[in-house]
Order: sequence, then C-alpha cells, then structure tokens
Amino acid sequence: QKEVEQDPGPLSVPEGAIVSLNCTYSNSAFQYFMWYRQYSRKGPELLMYTYSSGNKEDGRFTAQVDKSSKYISLFIRDSQPSDSATYLCAMSTGNQFYFGTGTSLTVIP
Amino acid sequence: GAVVSQHPSWVICKSGTSVKIECRSLDFQATTMFWYRQFPKQSLMLMATSNEGSKATYEQGVEKDKFLINHASLTLSTLTVTSAHPEDSSFYICSAVWGREGTDTQYFGPGTRLTVL
Repeated sequence: QKEVEQDPGPLSVPEGAIVSLNCTYSNSAFQYFMWYRQYSRKGPELLMYTYSSGNKEDGRFTAQVDKSSKYISLFIRDSQPSDSATYLCAMSTGNQFYFGTGTSLTVIP
Repeated sequence: GAVVSQHPSWVICKSGTSVKIECRSLDFQATTMFWYRQFPKQSLMLMATSNEGSKATYEQGVEKDKFLINHASLTLSTLTVTSAHPEDSSFYICSAVWGREGTDTQYFGPGTRLTVL
C-alpha cells in the first residue's frame, strides 16, 4: 500500500465551479500536510500548509485535514482558468516527506 | 520569503558531456535539499537527499556515480549529470527545506529542463 494515495484525474470543471481534491494516507505518523500547485514545466509552488485537523482558508483555497480518517482535501472556490494545473498533496513526519502522484485539473472558460 | 532558484533553466548538450545544475536558496539557509526528476505528465521522482557538509543519500536505482551531488554551503547544492545520454533527458527540480510555523517544509525551484542530443 502506498503511503499517500491521490486520484490522478484528469479533472475538468467549468469556470466558477467548486473543485475538491483529495488524498488519503496510511501512516499515522504524518503530522504536517501540504498542497502544491505545479504548472506545466515549472517547479511545484506551495499553496497551503496545515498541521492539525480542521480547516485552513486562504482566499479561494481551503485545506481540510481529518486525521481520524487519514484524509485531506483541498477546495477551490470560484475556480478560474488560471487554476488549471497539477495539484500535489504532500505529507511529512517532520523528517520524511511523501508526495501524492498529483491530480491534473483543467478549468474550462 | 523562501525562494529557491535553479540555473540553468534549460540546457541542451551532446551525448557524453557532463552538465551541472545549481540550486540556491536565496533568502534562507537550507541544511537539507532534495533533487527530483520528472518525466512529462508523471509525478516527481526523488533522486537524492542532499545535506550540507555530508554525502548525499541516493534513492534506490539512482546511480550515484552518474548523478553527482555536492551540497557545499547552506545555500547551494549542485547536481552534475556525468556522461549524459539521451535517456537522461528530463526535468530536474530541486527543493530546499525551510522551517515554517515551527517545522520544516519543502520549497521548490523552478526546474531545469535537460535535453541530451
């Protein structure tokens, strides 16, 4: 079983839609949870960082962590064409990092 | 804050030559840097973990003699692809670890596209 599971998509939504991206994990030692956005031929960009269970909001983005279910989500409200990218979840024990395979998102104007 | 740069952004070389890629943390010091490679439409593949002042730790299947990593200072790590061949053509990305909110997270460079002819 992989440490981190992420649905690769692709996911295609109309502009303005709410997007939900998800990852599950198996290692209860993960303490820190991150979401990165990667545009084609660019390095990943850190979007959100969370530590505890619950929600964290930053503009149109909300990161949600449910440690009891070992499940994290990233919600994008009012999605824009510029949100079209690959989204990677990442988790850390504090010493080791694990990445999901990424979900490809296309927002159609 | 937490900006990581890579140089060059794109390099084309002949088969058999060596190519050096630099990764710099511009506004913070990083004791740990990572090197990844990524093929088109595929996920990141960790190649090695680079710690300042010590030898790099390579992932299984990565040839340490082919991919030389030097972490000479707290702001610079280099990856040298020796005797490059067309199958080494890929997108190479580094990341640097920086403390944030009491712990560490990775900040990525913009990547280097290597094309070996």
